[in-house]
Amino acid sequence: GQNIDQPTEMTATEGAIVQINCTYQTSGFNGLFWYQQHAGEAPTFLSYNVLDGLEEKGRFSSFLSRSKGYSYLLLKELQMKDSASYLCAVRTPSGGSYIPTFGRGTSLIVHP
Amino acid sequence: DAGVIQSPRHEVTEMGQEVTLRCKPISGHNSLFWYRQTMMRGLELLIYFNNNVPIDDSGMPEDRFSAKMPNASFSTLKIQPSEPRDSAVYFCASSPGTGIGTEAFFGQGTRLTVV
Repeated sequence: GQNIDQPTEMTATEGAIVQINCTYQTSGFNGLFWYQQHAGEAPTFLSYNVLDGLEEKGRFSSFLSRSKGYSYLLLKELQMKDSASYLCAVRTPSGGSYIPTFGRGTSLIVHP
Repeated sequence: DAGVIQSPRHEVTEMGQEVTLRCKPISGHNSLFWYRQTMMRGLELLIYFNNNVPIDDSGMPEDRFSAKMPNASFSTLKIQPSEPRDSAVYFCASSPGTGIGTEAFFGQGTRLTVV
């Protein structure tokens, strides 16, 4: 089976930095995605890691350690609009391919 | 491109009725996914297609659920008969393939309520 764990909810202050962790135990691995989902909307792609290390993209960065089965999403200079659910998804084997398997998501609340 | 298009956006139906959800993937994408999202279970994969062929339907909850992809630009997810526990948001997503780094693009979802 596939096990992908994230905290259910986090809160942070506008302007601060927050780190959302994701740990996984899966039958295979071929990369990890982070998606953002605002309430009532579709998930949208944020980042992708396949090798160990940090990927930076503006205010958002994502880190991966394959040996530890661990990733985090780092959000800097938080804005109110960053209040959303953040989904970690691991590419896991299926039918000869790899497809995204999602964690339950972390609901981030940014307050003034 | 208009993105992945799903219809209807909202569906309210009575228990026992047939429900059909529709999806038009992004043109040129050859992988299509159906996901279901609930508070309890998060985003679960129901089935995915590569080049219109169903590859893995192990996530389909039971025989009441069926999915088809008759051509590269259209897919349906059917529930017959529907039950209240089927109430959820159903997302369709497409991607250019299943190779490294190919992200999935999601439609706006269909919010299904079975009463």
